[in-house]
Amino acid sequence: EPEVTQTPSHQVTQMGQEVILRCVPISNHLYFYWYRQILGQKVEFLVSFYNNEISEKSEIFDDQFSVERPDGSNFTLKIRSTKLEDSAMYFCAIPGRGSYEQYFGPGTRLTVT
Amino acid sequence: AQSVTQLGSHVSVSEGALVLLRCNYSSSVPPYLFWYVQYPNQGLQLLLKYTSAATLVKGINGFEAEFKKSETSFHLTKPSAHMSDAAEYFCAVSDRSNYQLIWGAGTKLIIKP
Repeated sequence: EPEVTQTPSHQVTQMGQEVILRCVPISNHLYFYWYRQILGQKVEFLVSFYNNEISEKSEIFDDQFSVERPDGSNFTLKIRSTKLEDSAMYFCAIPGRGSYEQYFGPGTRLTVT
Repeated sequence: AQSVTQLGSHVSVSEGALVLLRCNYSSSVPPYLFWYVQYPNQGLQLLLKYTSAATLVKGINGFEAEFKKSETSFHLTKPSAHMSDAAEYFCAVSDRSNYQLIWGAGTKLIIKP
C-alpha cells in the first residue's frame, strides 16, 4: 500500500489568511487528488492533478483554491483567502497500482477562526 | 451523474453479531466500488474494492462485500463483530472514465459489548 504523509496535521488560521497544505507520497507519483471532509459530512472531491496539470475539479474548487507540485516530490493545496466554511479535514490521495483505488494520507485538520 | 446512498447513518450491533452495512449506487455503466473505514481522528483506509472480477470481494479485518448488479448494491458484511470494528464506514464509487471518487454519507458502526 502506497504511503502518503501530510503536513501539518492541524492548522489554525484566521479568516482571510492564506494556507498551504502539503502532501508527500513516499514514492514518485504523477497523479494525486485532494478531498475534503467537513465535520460530520461526507467526503467531497476537490481536484485531481496529473503531470503538473489539473485533470478534473469540482464546483467546490473555485478561484480561492490552487494546487501545485512545487519541487517534483510534494504536492500542495493552497487556499488564498480562507473562509469559516473552509474548516474541514483535507485529505490527499494517490492511486494504487491497480483499478482506480486510492490511498489516503492522514489528513490535515484546518480550522478557520 | 453517479451517486452513492448508504442506508443508515448509524448501525448498532452487539459484539459477535453479524454486521451489515448497506450501499447502493447509481451509475450508467458498471463502476468500480470501494469501502473505506475511518477510525476516530484518523484517515481513510481502504477496506476492499470491486473491480469487475469476482462479485464477492474479501477485504481486511474479516470484512467482505458482494456486488449485485441487478440491485445496484455493494453491501458490506462481517460475520462476527468485534469491538475494534467501531468506526465510520464509507462506500465510494468511481466510473471507468475518470479517477474521481464519489462518496456515500458514511455509516457509523457502533459495537455494543
